[in-house]
Amino acid sequence: NAGVTQTPKFQVLKTGQSMTLQCAQDMNHNSMYWYRQDPGMGLRLIYYSASEGTTDKGEVPNGYNVSRLNKREFSLRLESAAPSQTSVYFCASSEASGRRETQYFGPGTRLLVL
Amino acid sequence: AQSVSQHNHHVILSEAASLELGCNYSYGGTVNLFWYVQYPGQHLQLLLKYFSGDPLVKGIKGFEAEFIKSKFSFNLRKPSVQWSDTAEYFCAVNGRGSTLGRLYFGRGTQLTVWP
Repeated sequence: NAGVTQTPKFQVLKTGQSMTLQCAQDMNHNSMYWYRQDPGMGLRLIYYSASEGTTDKGEVPNGYNVSRLNKREFSLRLESAAPSQTSVYFCASSEASGRRETQYFGPGTRLLVL
Repeated sequence: AQSVSQHNHHVILSEAASLELGCNYSYGGTVNLFWYVQYPGQHLQLLLKYFSGDPLVKGIKGFEAEFIKSKFSFNLRKPSVQWSDTAEYFCAVNGRGSTLGRLYFGRGTQLTVWP
């Protein structure tokens, strides 16, 4: 039981390049989330998916797109990377069992945009 | 909108000292409350959580937190810290009346424990 896994662990991009961050969970969770973590800012929600087939914007969605490929996988795409997107990206999942929901996090992807 | 404030940005303690990290939130309804810990270079791990019931919640590694509804607070405590507690600590809130899964995080408190 690996929990939440993310690939890649590290990535360096040039401005304007595109890439997709992958996330998978093996806990049979319904909900999945993408956050970015910046120094002194805590974690901010980019996008989330309450269930397979649905996605919604979070607090900072600009410059990103997401795909909920199936129940296990939730990918985050940067179409044209910008230096402001240099950050650590965390994927999370939760069972979303009504009122008592706990999110579990992956190991993160460190992204540097030059 | 919900928000979470962690007033201590960086706390430095010696081993065996007592710890209290402040967390206040703004949300008018019923909340779920969490503390996560992030050790250097690692992902966030759940330290403890409060959904309902006894407002004093015990978590892993000797941590506890107290929910005081009248003060909108959920402070984290540990009676005696260890060097291995050096990490960043995040308070998070999920309002039950809001969209499922919208966790709001504080900016984090970096704890440094000197041996």
